[in-house]
Amino acid sequence: KNEVEQSPQNLTAQEGEFITINCSYSVGISALHWLQQHPGGGIVSLFMLSSGKKKHGRLIATINIQEKHSSLHITASHPRDSAVYICAVPMYSGGGADGLTFGKGTHLIIQP
Amino acid sequence: KAGVTQTPRYLIKTRGQQVTLSCSPISGHRSVSWYQQTPGQGLQFLFEYFSETQRNKGNFPGRFSGRQFSNSRSEMNVSTLELGDSALYLCASSPDRVSEQYFGPGTRLTVT
Repeated sequence: KNEVEQSPQNLTAQEGEFITINCSYSVGISALHWLQQHPGGGIVSLFMLSSGKKKHGRLIATINIQEKHSSLHITASHPRDSAVYICAVPMYSGGGADGLTFGKGTHLIIQP
Repeated sequence: KAGVTQTPRYLIKTRGQQVTLSCSPISGHRSVSWYQQTPGQGLQFLFEYFSETQRNKGNFPGRFSGRQFSNSRSEMNVSTLELGDSALYLCASSPDRVSEQYFGPGTRLTVT
């Protein structure tokens, strides 16, 4: 079964700083998901990526399939980016049609 | 398009009772997955339904069950509720079994 490790668990930064959150997994996968969860519980899918790099606004996600590692970057961070960021990968063989297993999340606070 | 909807949003039940939660996916989405989120265990995969068939199941006891209807709407049922079943239950829909998932707002279940 795939194991997912996220770091750091908690991160407090000042507005404008460049943020990096890391995710490592143990079994080869077809795609990795980055999710954002705000207080109150709602989850938003930020990225689903299987190789290289994707960018949405100030968010950038990269993945290195060989090293089984992904990073989520936030440029010019803003207090509204404060949330829990969660990495998720398929549970088993990496086939696309697997249930997901999740990291414990990174609790990010951006101070004004 | 309307997003994923879940009903009810909040629920309080007593130990030993049973509960049914409902999820309406985004129109055209055929895959529905269910997840449980607790402070201790984080997000955990419950099961996935596609074309009215359960395709994957997480490591949960048989008290947790679900089904999917021909219009892709899904329900999950928990029988003989235990205090540890108190959690946020999230469903997510996807057009197929390998694409990005879209999460609903969740149902917060409290078992007393």
